[in-house]
Amino acid sequence: QQQVKQSPQSLIVQKGGISIINCAYENTAFDYFPWYQQFPGKGPALLIAIRPDVSEKKEGRFTISFNKSAKQFSLHIMDSQPGDSATYFCAASKAGYQKVTFGIGTKLQVIP
Amino acid sequence: SAVISQKPSRDICQRGTSLTIQCQVDSQVTMMFWYRQQPGQSLTLIATANQGSEATYESGFVIDKFPISRPNLTFSTLTVSNMSPEDSSIYLCSASHGFRTDTQYFGPGTRLTVL
Repeated sequence: QQQVKQSPQSLIVQKGGISIINCAYENTAFDYFPWYQQFPGKGPALLIAIRPDVSEKKEGRFTISFNKSAKQFSLHIMDSQPGDSATYFCAASKAGYQKVTFGIGTKLQVIP
Repeated sequence: SAVISQKPSRDICQRGTSLTIQCQVDSQVTMMFWYRQQPGQSLTLIATANQGSEATYESGFVIDKFPISRPNLTFSTLTVSNMSPEDSSIYLCSASHGFRTDTQYFGPGTRLTVL
């Protein structure tokens, strides 16, 4: 059972455009929602994370939007750059529990 | 933060043999995790390793196949035993500083090919 559904699986965006990746979760006990960025041949690295007490978190060009009632959250990459080309994973975990559930991943390609 | 290194970075092994992957963290961490990632796929948690206790395995993974050691707060090993081609994958180590899951720091992974 896939507890965190992520879409799209692949995304091509022009340089300077906005990249949007969406995720939905089922378990209402989840209370921590990180996004990880993975470059080829590397391990995932935390990009940005949000907890459900806020609806939006912004760090530079990266913004997470969170809709608790819809059980959805999304990553927006503003002014996308070729260096942003990577695979992005949304994830979720619940309080007091160490296990993180990852989405299937989105391969982003930013073309010049 | 934490910087994680893994050894080996890649290996090609024969069917029926075993490989031990080492994971070293540059600081003491509470939790360490082992994941498997097929190329182009998501991450699947194999087990959680706590120092001083036995590892906790996820459904579909057993200790006889994937024995794990956690001798101290900065080091862990994962052994892939009696390997078959189906074990070919990328194995990732990660670490976290807190019992409540917060940031997980990942190693670069070990790419394993079983012939």
